[in-house]
Amino acid sequence: SYELTQSPSVSVSPGQTARITCSGDALPKKYAYWYQQRSGQAPVLVIYEDDKRPSGIPERFSASTSGTVATLTISGAQVEDEADYYCYSADNNGDQRVFGGGTKVTVL
Amino acid sequence: QVQLQESGPGLVKPSEPLSLACTVSGYAISSGYYWGWIRQPPGKGLEWIATIHHSGTTYYSPSLKGRVTISVDTSGNQFFLELSSVTAADRAVYYCARQAFGSGTFGPDVWGQGTLVTVSS
Repeated sequence: SYELTQSPSVSVSPGQTARITCSGDALPKKYAYWYQQRSGQAPVLVIYEDDKRPSGIPERFSASTSGTVATLTISGAQVEDEADYYCYSADNNGDQRVFGGGTKVTVL
Repeated sequence: QVQLQESGPGLVKPSEPLSLACTVSGYAISSGYYWGWIRQPPGKGLEWIATIHHSGTTYYSPSLKGRVTISVDTSGNQFFLELSSVTAADRAVYYCARQAFGSGTFGPDVWGQGTLVTVSS
């Protein structure tokens, strides 16, 4: 079955840059999406179609995909950015849609 | 503003079916997009379950296919999930979501608040 692999955790100080990676064989051909999930809340879309930011999402959130690795960057991380972040995509055949295992971002 | 709201029993007995509804407001399901279900066991990650288009086209997670049915009622602006023969492993927060086509990726862009379903006798 298809998998997206994320590192379990990232820790940064406020104002620093946090980078979260997501690795998957189909990422060269399939869009990556990124979600922020704060404790006890539903996920929120922060990036869609590899690098597009929905309205209302701060500009400090950006993303890119190079080959089989998608990267979410939080430039100048704020305390309120502390959350779990999940990538999402599909396999090459379009049979499976999957989430990565999630990355816990700590800002302190 | 599009909003989604899950509803259904919070407690299901083992081996019985789990049935949930998602009511959409602020957008007509028949206008487009795809609509789906995602779940999250307590303390664990997200799992895509199924997706449907208002035309009736469906997509299922291979790991749950055979136990899952997704359906839609465009007149009521709702879609539904049924999961048969539940076990303790099906205990999770179940989210409904609007999904954008995105070249077949169906990325969720709007989520419901989620509903916790517990499996216990």
